[in-house]
Amino acid sequence: KNEVEQSPQNLTAQEGEFITINCSYSVGISALHWLQQHPGGGIVSLFMLSSGKKKHGRLIATINIQEKHSSLHITASHPRDSAVYICAVSKTGGATNKLIFGTGTLLAVQP
Amino acid sequence: EAQVTQNPRYLITVTGKKLTVTCSQNMNHEYMSWYRQDPGLGLRQIYYSMNVEVTDKGDVPEGYKVSRKEKRNFPLILESPSPNQTSLYFCASSYRQGGYTEAFFGQGTRLTVV
Repeated sequence: KNEVEQSPQNLTAQEGEFITINCSYSVGISALHWLQQHPGGGIVSLFMLSSGKKKHGRLIATINIQEKHSSLHITASHPRDSAVYICAVSKTGGATNKLIFGTGTLLAVQP
Repeated sequence: EAQVTQNPRYLITVTGKKLTVTCSQNMNHEYMSWYRQDPGLGLRQIYYSMNVEVTDKGDVPEGYKVSRKEKRNFPLILESPSPNQTSLYFCASSYRQGGYTEAFFGQGTRLTVV
């Protein structure tokens, strides 16, 4: 079983819809990251959080440490939000504290 | 502007022909790493470096080499590329390893080995 699981794997939405992407993890973490990858583009960091909630524009990220779960919400979605969204955790313990990645959620927002 | 720069962005090569993918960061970060991204598998760590002259294997190091002679540069070397190394590669850097530390990623290098 993967240490970081995302759902759904694929998501199609109509412009203007509210979108939620979920991430569950099974390891101890010091931080959780939400990343965005546009087709043919690089990876950019959207959020890094260790508790509570963060908001940037139309994007909101929440984390529940007790339940080991995070959500990324997009309000008033737009076609330019179409991308792969990746959840990653900074894993604690072990020989190295490294990033563990989910397999990503492919979001397509149709006009 | 803070950035991680990879070159080349696209590369098609033949089996066995040595190649190097360069990575440079301008943020004075200590920690750098290389990942490969394959469909259904997500990002997997190839090698990482915690500082100059300090490198170690990640999860999928076979067939790759790295070096860290300067803090800003962390090249990925494929001595004898094979078709199973066809993938999308990302270099990343951060102030330190793990913890509450933001990671910065390069634009990616799409490598095809024929």
